[in-house]
Amino acid sequence: AQSVAQPEDQVNVAEGNPLTVKCTYSVSGNPYLFWYVQYPNRGLQFLLKYITGDNLVKGSYGFEAEFNKSQTSFHLKKPSALVSDSALYFCAVSTYYGNNRLAFGKGNQVVVIP
Amino acid sequence: DTAVSQTPKYLVTQMGNDKSIKCEQNLGHDTMYWYKQDSKKFLKIMFSYNNKELIINETVPNRFSPKSPDKAHLNLHINSLELGDSAVYFCASSPLAGASTDTQYFGPGTRLTVL
Repeated sequence: AQSVAQPEDQVNVAEGNPLTVKCTYSVSGNPYLFWYVQYPNRGLQFLLKYITGDNLVKGSYGFEAEFNKSQTSFHLKKPSALVSDSALYFCAVSTYYGNNRLAFGKGNQVVVIP
Repeated sequence: DTAVSQTPKYLVTQMGNDKSIKCEQNLGHDTMYWYKQDSKKFLKIMFSYNNKELIINETVPNRFSPKSPDKAHLNLHINSLELGDSAVYFCASSPLAGASTDTQYFGPGTRLTVL
């Protein structure tokens, strides 16, 4: 079965500092990895995904993520956090044989402190 | 133009009632989904449809019945509502049938409260 783990419940970061949200995955076969963001009382918005190729993936709003096969990780990063980045971030994984089934992590609340 | 829309946005009802949530996507996508987000924000897939055909049916009580009249619509009917059904229900869609690399696009959610 496919699964992801987001070990931290909340990430606090000062505005302007680098932001990292951690994600590790467990799958049989090659993973397809996704990051989504959820603002209060809103649906999920897609940030970026890794399918194959370059391990560093760039996405929306200045976010990027690095796929690390040996550590089975796909951490989300932003060089300089904004107050408006405060939201709930979800990592998710699917596989070729998964019928588009996305398994989500429990989510990380990011709080950017002015 | 709203890509994935859901109605209603809020739904408050009594235990034992039957209710429906509607979803429409105008993206021309082949696949649609229903997810449940519980009070701890945990997201879990319930159903997926490819071109009106049920593909994923997770361990969801059979009080929940999805219906897809055409590939642009996926409705969720819930019978005999229980307190534990209170959650936010998200509809989503993705372009191709069976393409696990596809991005899923989510609707704004329907907050269901069962009293």
